[in-house]
Amino acid sequence: NAGVTQTPKFQVLKTGQSMTLQCAQDMNHNSMYWYRQDPGMGLRLIYYSASEGTTDKGEVPNGYNVSRLNKREFSLRLESAAPSQTSVYFCASSEFPGLAGGRETQYFGPGTRLLVL
Amino acid sequence: KQEVTQIPAALSVPEGENLVLNCSFTDSAIYNLQWFRQDPGKGLTSLLLIQSSQREQTSGRLNASLDKSSGRSTLYIAASQPGDSATYLCAVRAGGGADGLTFGKGTHLIIQP
Repeated sequence: NAGVTQTPKFQVLKTGQSMTLQCAQDMNHNSMYWYRQDPGMGLRLIYYSASEGTTDKGEVPNGYNVSRLNKREFSLRLESAAPSQTSVYFCASSEFPGLAGGRETQYFGPGTRLLVL
Repeated sequence: KQEVTQIPAALSVPEGENLVLNCSFTDSAIYNLQWFRQDPGKGLTSLLLIQSSQREQTSGRLNASLDKSSGRSTLYIAASQPGDSATYLCAVRAGGGADGLTFGKGTHLIIQP
């Protein structure tokens, strides 16, 4: 079980360039998330996908797009990178029990460090 | 909008001490609360999860409590060790849907040998 994997681990972009951050999980979870972590700001939710085929905006979605390719994979795309998008990006997954209740823990990937010059 | 605050922002204590990290949240309508550990340059590791109907959870030297009505949680670390040095993050999930977590900014903990 690899858990949640992210690629690449580190990336440097120039302003205006585009790139896609990849995330995959092997725990058969329905829900997947993208967060960004900035010094002094904590982690903030960018987008999430409650289940395959659905995506929703989080707290800071501007400048990003997402694709839930299948149940395993959830990618984050920067169409035109800006210096303000310099951050560490974390993908997470969980199995939300819904109305049935029960425990739900989010599992995080190791992160992608992105520097936009 | 839910806001999560963690106090203190940083803490340095000698090895062996018991310590308490605090977390408060503004909207008491939460589904659960989770404490994470983050080591420098690494991802997040879940330590404890407390459902909204629970008062506390324990794992080894860690004990987390939840007072939903007052919007507070504490993480108690007993007999601290240098290996406990890390940033500790508190996060809450709102009730209802499968949306994401709202995080505090964390407490940076250093345990002096």
